[in-house]
Amino acid sequence: GENVEQHPSTLSVQEGDSAVIKCTYSDSASNYFPWYKQELGKGPQLIIDIRSNVGEKKDQRIAVTLNKTAKHFSLHITETQPEDSAVYFCAATRIQGAQKLVFGQGTRLTINP
Amino acid sequence: ETGVTQTPRHLVMGMTNKKSLKCEQHLGHNAMYWYKQSAKKPLELMFVYSLEERVENNSVPSRFSPECPNSSHLFLHLHTLQPEDSALYLCASSQEGPRGRGGELFFGEGSRLTVL
Repeated sequence: GENVEQHPSTLSVQEGDSAVIKCTYSDSASNYFPWYKQELGKGPQLIIDIRSNVGEKKDQRIAVTLNKTAKHFSLHITETQPEDSAVYFCAATRIQGAQKLVFGQGTRLTINP
Repeated sequence: ETGVTQTPRHLVMGMTNKKSLKCEQHLGHNAMYWYKQSAKKPLELMFVYSLEERVENNSVPSRFSPECPNSSHLFLHLHTLQPEDSALYLCASSQEGPRGRGGELFFGEGSRLTVL
């Protein structure tokens, strides 16, 4: 089955700087890679996703890159703000009916003012 | 109400108790999920229901019993749990098929379970 590794487990950056979180996956059949953000006391929320037919996707300050050959994908947050502080999870799956996402271990991102 | 609602938000139970967690989604989705979130562990998929039929049971012990009476409601029945079952249990829903984007899960805020 799929296995997703996520690094780092914690990340602290100065406000305004960039943050990068990296994930690797094991199953070459996986074709969908979402990123979720979980704030304290809330459930995870999708912030961006990418499918295997594209190499990069951007949404304002957030971007995701995918390297299918190396089986890794990354989340990039630019111009970080205090509200970006949260736990971020990457996930991977092969889209076929109901989703069976396999999540990484999570990265606790802290933005220092 | 909108989104995915879970009740209760907090539950404390003894190992011999029987309790249930409830999830309701108001998004018109056709798939529902139970995930377990423990400290320092990835989100673990427990059960998946698609069109009210269970399509995944991810090697979950029988002391956890899911029920999906219709596409809007999902239950997790708990019986003779162990202290290591203490965790945050998250319910999610999604729309699968041609009308859905495929893959986007909408999570509830979770039920925090403590087993004494």
